[in-house]
Amino acid sequence: NAGVTQTPKFRILKIGQSMTLQCTQDMNHNYMYWYRQDPGMGLKLIYYSVGAGITDKGEVPNGYNVSRSTTEDFPLRLELAAPSQTSVYFCASSTGGPYNEQFFGPGTRLTVL
Amino acid sequence: AQKITQTQPGMFVQEKEAVTLDCTYDTSDQSYGLFWYKQPSSGEMIFLIYQGSYDEQNATEGRYSLNFQKARKSANLVISASQLGDSAMYFCATPHVKPGYSTLTFGKGTMLLVSP
Repeated sequence: NAGVTQTPKFRILKIGQSMTLQCTQDMNHNYMYWYRQDPGMGLKLIYYSVGAGITDKGEVPNGYNVSRSTTEDFPLRLELAAPSQTSVYFCASSTGGPYNEQFFGPGTRLTVL
Repeated sequence: AQKITQTQPGMFVQEKEAVTLDCTYDTSDQSYGLFWYKQPSSGEMIFLIYQGSYDEQNATEGRYSLNFQKARKSANLVISASQLGDSAMYFCATPHVKPGYSTLTFGKGTMLLVSP
């Protein structure tokens, strides 16, 4: 049981490039989330999904897109990368209840130069 | 909207001593909860402890306990007998419940350094 896995662990992008951050969970959780963590800050929600085929915006969605074609996978797409997207990105999953623990992946450290 | 405030950017404690990390919250929900997560230098987020607003007793998990004071809207994390491995960032968070989904609202965190 690997939990939540994310790839890649590190990535450097040039301004204007695009990339997809991968997230997979093997706990059969319906709820999945993407957060970003800027230096010295807590996490902010980018997008979330309550099940396959259902996604919605969080607090800071601009510059990102997501899809959820399966229960297991929840990729995050960055189009036209900007320096403001330099951050650490965390994927998380949960059974869905608000008072249930969210399980986090190890994070992806992204730098946009 | 929910808000979490962690007023201590950094805390220092000696090994084997106890330390309290502060967290105050602001929520309009009748029912709510507070989570604490640990983030070591390796970067992953590790769940530590959870307190529900209607729980009659303060939550405990091994060396971690939660000093929950509803009237003060505080949910402070107490770490007893600190260990070197406790050096990390600690985040307080509360669920943000909307129709059909919920997410977590995080504070800015407190960096804890444990010295020998």
